[in-house]
Amino acid sequence: KQEVTQIPAALSVPEGENLVLNCSFTDSAIYNLQWFRQDPGKGLTSLLLIQSSQREQTSGRLNASLDKSSGRSTLYIAASQPGDSATYLCAVRLITSGSRLTFGEGTQLTVNP
Amino acid sequence: NAGVTQTPKFRVLKTGQSMTLLCAQDMNHEYMYWYRQDPGMGLRLIHYSVGEGTTAKGEVPDGYNVSRLKKQNFLLGLESAAPSQTSVYFCASSRNLAGSNYGYTFGSGTRLTVV
Repeated sequence: KQEVTQIPAALSVPEGENLVLNCSFTDSAIYNLQWFRQDPGKGLTSLLLIQSSQREQTSGRLNASLDKSSGRSTLYIAASQPGDSATYLCAVRLITSGSRLTFGEGTQLTVNP
Repeated sequence: NAGVTQTPKFRVLKTGQSMTLLCAQDMNHEYMYWYRQDPGMGLRLIHYSVGEGTTAKGEVPDGYNVSRLKKQNFLLGLESAAPSQTSVYFCASSRNLAGSNYGYTFGSGTRLTVV
C-alpha cells in the first residue's frame, strides 16, 4: 500500500525566510505528484504538478522537485510571506491505483510578520 | 468561474437522517471523486467515478452511496447518518489517464456534522 509522509508536520518561520517542505512516498510507480495548498476551512488549491518524467516545476516563488527513484519530493518556497501561511499537502497518483490520489497529512506552515 | 461546485457548504444532521451532497463540474472531466477529511487521518477516498454511469469504491465506502447519472454531476448519499460521518467532504475531478499530466481540481468542501 502506498504511503505518503510529510515532514515536518508543522513549521513556523519569520517572514522573508526561504523554506523547504518534504514529501516521501513508498511506491515509486507514479504518474505524477501534485502539491496543494489548503487555507483553514477552505478547499484545496493546486500549486504545482510534476509528471513522473520531470525533475521539477516552478511557479513564481514556488519550486517543486521530484526524485522518483528515492521516493521524494520537496516544495521550496522563496522569500516567505505571511500570506503563505496554510497547510501544504502533497499527493501522488499511482500507476497501480489508476486515477486515485494518495495524500500525505500535510505540513502546517506559519509565516510570522 | 470554471471549476468544481459543491452544495451545500454546511449541514447539521440528526443520527439516522439521510441527505445527498451534490458535486458539479464544468470542465468536462471524465473522472470524479469524493473524499473526506478528518483531523489526523488526512484525505481519504470514499467513492469515485471514471465516467458517466460508472462508480467504484474507494478506501472508506461504508455508509455512503454515489451516483453519476450525468457526466458533470457526482452525488454522494448518506442513507442513515452516524456521528462517525461528521467530517469535511471534498469533491474533485480530473481528466482521464490519457491526460495524466493534468491534476485534480477540488471543490470548496461541505462541512457535515451529525449529532
